[in-house]
Amino acid sequence: DTAVSQTPKYLVTQMGNDKSIKCEQNLGHDTMYWYKQDSKKFLKIMFSYNNKELIINETVPNRFSPKSPDKAHLNLHINSLELGDSAVYFCASSQGPYGQPQHFGDGTRLSIL
Amino acid sequence: KNEVEQSPQNLTAQEGEFITINCSYSVGISALHWLQQHPGGGIVSLFMLSSGKKKHGRLIATINIQEKHSSLHITASHPRDSAVYICAVASVEGSNYKLTFGKGTLLTVNP
Repeated sequence: DTAVSQTPKYLVTQMGNDKSIKCEQNLGHDTMYWYKQDSKKFLKIMFSYNNKELIINETVPNRFSPKSPDKAHLNLHINSLELGDSAVYFCASSQGPYGQPQHFGDGTRLSIL
Repeated sequence: KNEVEQSPQNLTAQEGEFITINCSYSVGISALHWLQQHPGGGIVSLFMLSSGKKKHGRLIATINIQEKHSSLHITASHPRDSAVYICAVASVEGSNYKLTFGKGTLLTVNP
């Protein structure tokens, strides 16, 4: 019944590794988002896809690559992880892209050792 | 200067008090969101508004487009309202869509 589900919930890994976080929504929404929340709890958007098309691509290192195989899924792949990547990553979805209410996943806490 | 400014940063209240959290923004917007993040980390969308006022239970959100200002009010506050409240603005310029977040207001309601 979970509307927006992210996996894994926790991810602990070594610097330099490559990892992926998966996100799926069963709400029939067209738009999905990835956010990063740093240690100061500041929420910042990273990417957004609408109907599998990238519509927001904020300034993030190109080690971060989103992939949307279909409207219900938006995965985040991170290459060569660095200490500064430690954060909580939230996935969200909305019916449409332009200011629609968003439904958030529970977050993935990424810790880099 | 951040495009979205929230005040206060921290707010402590006694149960039953009326709470106001403010959000000012400097860009033209298509919509403004109020989000709530509980201590456990989950984020919930409270309101999305582009004009006027919305009410849901004890929560009221208002927006003044001319003054580029929004307020979130909580009536009869309760300890379970303790959370971080985040204001975010959505703006569209041509084909560019942008979401900008405030730094949040930490609300603590004591019994």
